Amino acid sequence: GQNIDQPTEMTATEGAIVQINCTYQTSGFNGLFWYQQHAGEAPTFLSYNVLDGLEEKGRFSSFLSRSKGYSYLLLKELQMKDSASYLCAVRGLGNTPLVFGKGTRLSVIA
Amino acid sequence: ETGVTQTPRHLVMGMTNKKSLKCEQHLGHNAMYWYKQSAKKPLELMFVYSLEERVENNSVPSRFSPECPNSSHLFLHLHTLQPEDSALYLCASSQDTSRNEQYFGPGTRLTVT
Repeated sequence: GQNIDQPTEMTATEGAIVQINCTYQTSGFNGLFWYQQHAGEAPTFLSYNVLDGLEEKGRFSSFLSRSKGYSYLLLKELQMKDSASYLCAVRGLGNTPLVFGKGTRLSVIA
Repeated sequence: ETGVTQTPRHLVMGMTNKKSLKCEQHLGHNAMYWYKQSAKKPLELMFVYSLEERVENNSVPSRFSPECPNSSHLFLHLHTLQPEDSALYLCASSQDTSRNEQYFGPGTRLTVT
């Protein structure tokens, strides 16, 4: 089976940096994904990690440690529009479908 | 706009009704998915279609019946639903089932009364 844990809610200040953690236990691993979902909208793809290390994409970065079953999403220079849910998802071996965590609701305040 | 559209966006139905959700992707993808998103629960995969063939069925009750007439269209037929089936139903597509990135539609907010 697969289990994915991430905090339910976080609050951060505009202009600051926030780190959203995700831990997973899977019987196999073939990639970890982060999606952003604004209220009432579809999830949109943010990042993909399959090797250990940091992947940077503008203000967003994602880190993976396969040995620790751990990832984080780092958001820099927070903006009000970053208020959304952030979903961590893991793919097992082969072509198995993604398994999603419950998501972390981030609120950015002034 | 992700290239995946869903209709209707909102649906209220009684437990004895029959309705269908529609999904269309304009991306030339070969794989399509139905997910259920309930409050305070993870996204739950319901069905996966690859090249119009169902390749995954996650123990979904038979009151949900998918149909994939071609690689661009996906339906979810609903009948005799229960109030606990009220949720956001999301459609997604990807180039194929081995690809990393899935593109989601805006979802249908379903309320069963």
